[in-house]
Amino acid sequence: TQLLEQSPQFLSIQEGENLTVYCNSSSVFSSLQWYRQEPGEGPVLLVTVVTGGEVKKLKRLTFQFGDARKDSSLHITAAQPGDTGLYLCAGPRGAGNNRKLIWGLGTSLAVNP
Amino acid sequence: DAGITQSPRHKVTETGTPVTLRCHQTENHRYMYWYRQDPGHGLRLIHYSYGVKDTDKGEVSDGYSVSRSKTEDFLLTLESATSSQTSVYFCATSRQGVGTYEQYFGPGTRLTVT
Repeated sequence: TQLLEQSPQFLSIQEGENLTVYCNSSSVFSSLQWYRQEPGEGPVLLVTVVTGGEVKKLKRLTFQFGDARKDSSLHITAAQPGDTGLYLCAGPRGAGNNRKLIWGLGTSLAVNP
Repeated sequence: DAGITQSPRHKVTETGTPVTLRCHQTENHRYMYWYRQDPGHGLRLIHYSYGVKDTDKGEVSDGYSVSRSKTEDFLLTLESATSSQTSVYFCATSRQGVGTYEQYFGPGTRLTVT
């Protein structure tokens, strides 16, 4: 069974600090996606990583896909209160699956002013 | 942004009553999904659709049914609501074609069953 485990589950930091959150699996994924969900809203896609070892940057957010395509990380530099939210990773269940995704439980991030 | 709306946004209902939640999309995406999100359980797939009139069960489908008579609309029905169905419900869509299966979400419906 494919699973995605995210850590830490909760993170509370001060504005300006750096942080890294992780998404790990024992299975290989063809790609992994990161979403951010703000309170009272639906998840919003941030990025998709496809190639093993790939690094993508989105302003202060850096996403990396593991070389073996079993894990991914999200690093935030100089966190701001606007970064507060639930960060979810997700990956395809496999070929011919009607585009269903496997979801991690998320990392809940609070950035305090 | 896939232009996905959900209605109603909030609903309180009594145990045993039927409830229908609506998802409407304007992007002509082929695939549509209904999830529920609960603390400690994350996003769980209830039902999904891979085309008009083509639907299938997800991992937590008991007590729920769906219908998709048009590309843009996907309805979720709780035949007889129970307190265990109190949750936040999200609709999502995904486009057809080779790709990485990104999903686009609506704003959610908060359902309380008393």
